[in-house]
Amino acid sequence: EAQVTQNPRYLITVTGKKLTVTCSQNMNHEYMSWYRQDPGLGLRQIYYSMNVEVTDKGDVPEGYKVSRKEKRNFPLILESPSPNQTSLYFCASSFAGPNTEAFFGQGTRLTVV
Amino acid sequence: GNSVTQMEGPVTLSEEAFLTINCTYTATGYPSLFWYVQYPGEGLQLLLKATKADDKGSNKGFEATYRKETTSFHLEKGSVQVSDSAVYFCALSRTGNQFYFGTGTSLTVIP
Repeated sequence: EAQVTQNPRYLITVTGKKLTVTCSQNMNHEYMSWYRQDPGLGLRQIYYSMNVEVTDKGDVPEGYKVSRKEKRNFPLILESPSPNQTSLYFCASSFAGPNTEAFFGQGTRLTVV
Repeated sequence: GNSVTQMEGPVTLSEEAFLTINCTYTATGYPSLFWYVQYPGEGLQLLLKATKADDKGSNKGFEATYRKETTSFHLEKGSVQVSDSAVYFCALSRTGNQFYFGTGTSLTVIP
């Protein structure tokens, strides 16, 4: 089944404790992205990748890191999480090209206390 | 820059009522336009899309027409069902790797 898989689905952590949210897709998509969803703000892009070893900042990259060492995986790293990073995070992937749709993972609910 | 504005919710309708959710956009160039739906506890799923002016996207009884002259992509359905209760997001993309979303409109359909 074609899908984007994120783990974990739920995570509660403390301020400053490094964490990684994994994302994997099995559709051989070139493009992958991370978004955060906050009430009243919709989804905002954190980082995106157009291919292996090619990443770029989205609209809200501060406090996050990403890497794309393999085409299928695109982990999101929070080196020192803070409470303002409490949010619902989505990974997405798509084929290269201007008219393609994005496929989304199930989401990761992160709480930083 | 690129941005999407969609009508504020929440929207509550009775079953079989007509639905309109307004969406307008600002973009450089000629973006593709999308409607995504998010059911409780799930990720976003593509509902429909349109890639050029005057295109109509349709799926599951929902429709939206790409109107370049009014920079709009309003979502409509003639007769909503309880199962349509969800959050709906309008989005645009010019390059396929960056999507710009509206704030979402929550729809509740009551029997």
